[in-house]
Amino acid sequence: AQSVTQLDSQVPVFEEAPVELRCNYSSSVSVYLFWYVQYPNQGLQLLLKYLSGSTLVKGINGFEAEFNKSQTSFHLRKPSVHISDTAEYFCAVSDQGDYKLSFGAGTTVTVRA
Amino acid sequence: DARVTQTPRHKVTEMGQEVTMRCQPILGHNTVFWYRQTMMQGLELLAYFRNRAPLDDSGMPKDRFSAEMPDATLATLKIQPSEPRDSAVYFCASGLHGYSNQPQHFGDGTRLSIL
Repeated sequence: AQSVTQLDSQVPVFEEAPVELRCNYSSSVSVYLFWYVQYPNQGLQLLLKYLSGSTLVKGINGFEAEFNKSQTSFHLRKPSVHISDTAEYFCAVSDQGDYKLSFGAGTTVTVRA
Repeated sequence: DARVTQTPRHKVTEMGQEVTMRCQPILGHNTVFWYRQTMMQGLELLAYFRNRAPLDDSGMPKDRFSAEMPDATLATLKIQPSEPRDSAVYFCASGLHGYSNQPQHFGDGTRLSIL
C-alpha cells in the first residue's frame, strides 16, 4: 500500500497571496494522484487528478498541481487564494489498476483577510 | 448533480447500542467504499465493494463491525455493540472502477458520537 506524506499540517495564508501544499508518496510504481478538498461538515470533493500525460494538471477553483515522478511528489498550488478556500486539503494516491486510495493526513488552509 | 447520500447525518447513542449507517451510491456506480475519519488516524478505509461483492474489509474491526450491500442502491455499515472509541465521522464513497480510474465521489458523512 502507498504511504502519503503531506508535509504541512497547517498553512495560514493571507487573501490574494499564493499557496503551495506539499505531497509526497512512497512508491515509484505507476500511480494515479488526486487532491481532494473538505469544507467544514462536508464530504471530500475532488479538486484535480493526475492519471497520465502532462505533468501539470489544472483543477477546479483555480488550483493546479504538478506531478514529479523522480521526486515522487504532487504539490498543489494556487496563485491567489480567497477566503472561501479555507478548508482541509487531502492528497491521495492509488496504484494503477487498484481502485483503493491512500490518503495523506491533510493540510488545513486558513485564509485571512 | 448526482450525489452520494448518507443517512443519518448525525447520530448520538449510548455505548452498547447498535448503530446502522446507510449509503445510497450514485446510480450506475459499481464500487462503494466506507471510510472512517478521526483526528488521530485521519481517513482510514474500512471496507469496499465492487458489484455488491465485498472485496476488502481488512480495515474493519471484525468483531463488531459489518458492511453489506443488500442491493445496488444501498450500502450499510453496522456497529454492534458500539463503543466510545467508535466515535468518528464515517464516509461512504462510490465510483466507477474500470473506466480510466474515475475518481471516488464522497457523501457528506455520518457524524457518530458514542457516549
